[in-house]
Amino acid sequence: DAKTTQPTSMDCAEGRAANLPCNHSTISGNEYVYWYRQIHSQGPQYIIHGLKNNETNEMASLIITEDRKSSTLILPHATLRDTAVYYCIVRSPNSGGSNYKLTFGKGTLLTVNP
Amino acid sequence: NAGVMQNPRHLVRRRGQEARLRCSPMKGHSHVYWYRQLPEEGLKFMVYLQKENIIDESGMPKERFSAEFPKEGPSILRIQQVVRGDSAAYFCASSLDRPYNTEAFFGQGTRLTVV
Repeated sequence: DAKTTQPTSMDCAEGRAANLPCNHSTISGNEYVYWYRQIHSQGPQYIIHGLKNNETNEMASLIITEDRKSSTLILPHATLRDTAVYYCIVRSPNSGGSNYKLTFGKGTLLTVNP
Repeated sequence: NAGVMQNPRHLVRRRGQEARLRCSPMKGHSHVYWYRQLPEEGLKFMVYLQKENIIDESGMPKERFSAEFPKEGPSILRIQQVVRGDSAAYFCASSLDRPYNTEAFFGQGTRLTVV
């Protein structure tokens, strides 16, 4: 799996959009970008994933650059409950190797302030 | 539509005892993964199981740790003769039949404390 680079921490005001960047400059053509988050003392929670098109669901939007070397997770209206560590993970969909593993880095600690 | 269920949520064991952690995957999911999170560290893959089969246990310590996912019932992560270094949060995740391009859903974890 390609490695990812994320800022260690970010702050966001409640009600504002939170934009979390992720660099994955060595991503392969068939690797997806996944985002998970882990609220303190809870299990990781799946947020969204995408290949090259922008994706949106009820939780967030994922913007992937055209060259696919970076992406941004957008929480449109952050709340205090969105305070968590956010993990950006790249993963191949192919059935070979050990790509069923999720390799969690250190992630970004997002703190949403009142 | 219940999510991944893990129990117990908290487990305290004395050194030398056995710890048994249970994981019931989401309905319809036949693939289970265990991860461990040591204090102040990231999540690390331990083992991947399908029904009655261990697919990949490369992340499991060579001794004292074992995992199973029987045809009926939950997946079990078993730690024999626990030591203080086993104190951690253990998370289970599950996915649909095709794990390669689907998301995995995690349980709330079991926090093991060895005293």
